[in-house]
Amino acid sequence: SQQGEEDPQALSIQEGENATMNCSYKTSINNLQWYRQNSGRGLVHLILIRSNEREKHSGRLRVTLDTSKKSSSLLITASRAADTASYFCATAPLGDGNNRKLIWGLGTSLAVNP
Amino acid sequence: DAGITQSPRHKVTETGTPVTLRCHQTENHRYMYWYRQDPGHGLRLIHYSYGVKDTDKGEVSDGYSVSRSKTEDFLLTLESATSSQTSVYFCAISAPAQPQHFGDGTRLSIL
Repeated sequence: SQQGEEDPQALSIQEGENATMNCSYKTSINNLQWYRQNSGRGLVHLILIRSNEREKHSGRLRVTLDTSKKSSSLLITASRAADTASYFCATAPLGDGNNRKLIWGLGTSLAVNP
Repeated sequence: DAGITQSPRHKVTETGTPVTLRCHQTENHRYMYWYRQDPGHGLRLIHYSYGVKDTDKGEVSDGYSVSRSKTEDFLLTLESATSSQTSVYFCAISAPAQPQHFGDGTRLSIL
């Protein structure tokens, strides 16, 4: 069963704009992870945020986590055409510190137009 | 990418035939996973392994079996393929408490 739900399902922006996508989940978590998938390729890990963290940055990526609302957001600043991909959130349930049984959302498809 | 090779990358076969997909890693990671990805369902865990000869079922394990006789290889077998098993299959690996790293997938069509 899918726990994570991303919104929007699809997002189309112009190069240079910021892109924000959201993930909601249902049960208590150990951590939440964001992955990117380019067309025809495997998923690539972007960032992991633990349940006791509220915000994390990596380059042009900013992730926030609100455990009281069971939600997370991924912000990509100054987007580029190369950011065009699908983005997935995945949660590690509380007790799964080894990230063995991640629960995946259905993803947000991002198109960045030149 | 992270030292993961899936083979074959594409396969077309007929209903009722056995199919084996192979995942090979060069990272010596403890955990290996098999997922399927389908439109509208996202990524679903089929089986995973937490060591040589140690495996556990995932969310959609019916119709699938796995084996891991060596750290580097994790095999997924469809004993008698059905059209509902047409999908893209991904292998992933991870070290304990670390994110997962994915192969580039096997596109399997069952006619």
